[in-house]
Amino acid sequence: DSGVTQTPKHLITATGQRVTLRCSPRSGDLSVYWYQQSLDQGLQFLIQYYNGEERAKGNILERFSAQQFPDLHSELNLSSLELGDSALYFCASSVEGDSYNSPLHFGNGTRLTVT
Amino acid sequence: SQELEQSPQSLIVQEGKNLTINCTSSKTLYGLYWYKQKYGEGLIFLMMLQKGGEEKSHEKITAKLDEKKQQSSLHITASQPSHAGIYLCGADSGDYGGSQGNLIFGKGTKLSVKP
Repeated sequence: DSGVTQTPKHLITATGQRVTLRCSPRSGDLSVYWYQQSLDQGLQFLIQYYNGEERAKGNILERFSAQQFPDLHSELNLSSLELGDSALYFCASSVEGDSYNSPLHFGNGTRLTVT
Repeated sequence: SQELEQSPQSLIVQEGKNLTINCTSSKTLYGLYWYKQKYGEGLIFLMMLQKGGEEKSHEKITAKLDEKKQQSSLHITASQPSHAGIYLCGADSGDYGGSQGNLIFGKGTKLSVKP
């Protein structure tokens, strides 16, 4: 158990809908990362927050947004969903804001299916 | 473009056999990370290598980073069915001109161990 908690585990929704994925980082970790994993693209970095502030942005679509709250939990919001958004979404956390000094620890992911 | 190349893409070995997975970078790395993923589950942190020539072991898994810090190998001795999964190498995106703090990953090596 990595200590990173993601909810829900599975999510099935229709195209055009909006969903929210939730992540609780490991106790003491200040940084939260969101990744998308699909068969064709592999594991893609979406966005990182450090202590409530956006730290880095990757290949995140404009229809997606995220935030990190004062209690350090994070939410990833996906809107106007398309079939291609079906994927595993992972949250990871680390103590520091950079991976040079502290490895990322991943949750078990949320499997999103858009029908 | 893929900046971390893993080989082989997949591997089937008989239980008890040794095996090696490679990860090659197009650039010199500050750090190289190895993760294991069971199908549909989260990534489990295995090891982090930072120094050229560094070697680390955990149980029957040994990872090395070459002197030039552009290639890493993961070696499993006397493989067991519990070793089956997808092995991913990761590196900080800062090494590739991206934002520091998040990891980019290779496509993964799928390992199957036949009893």
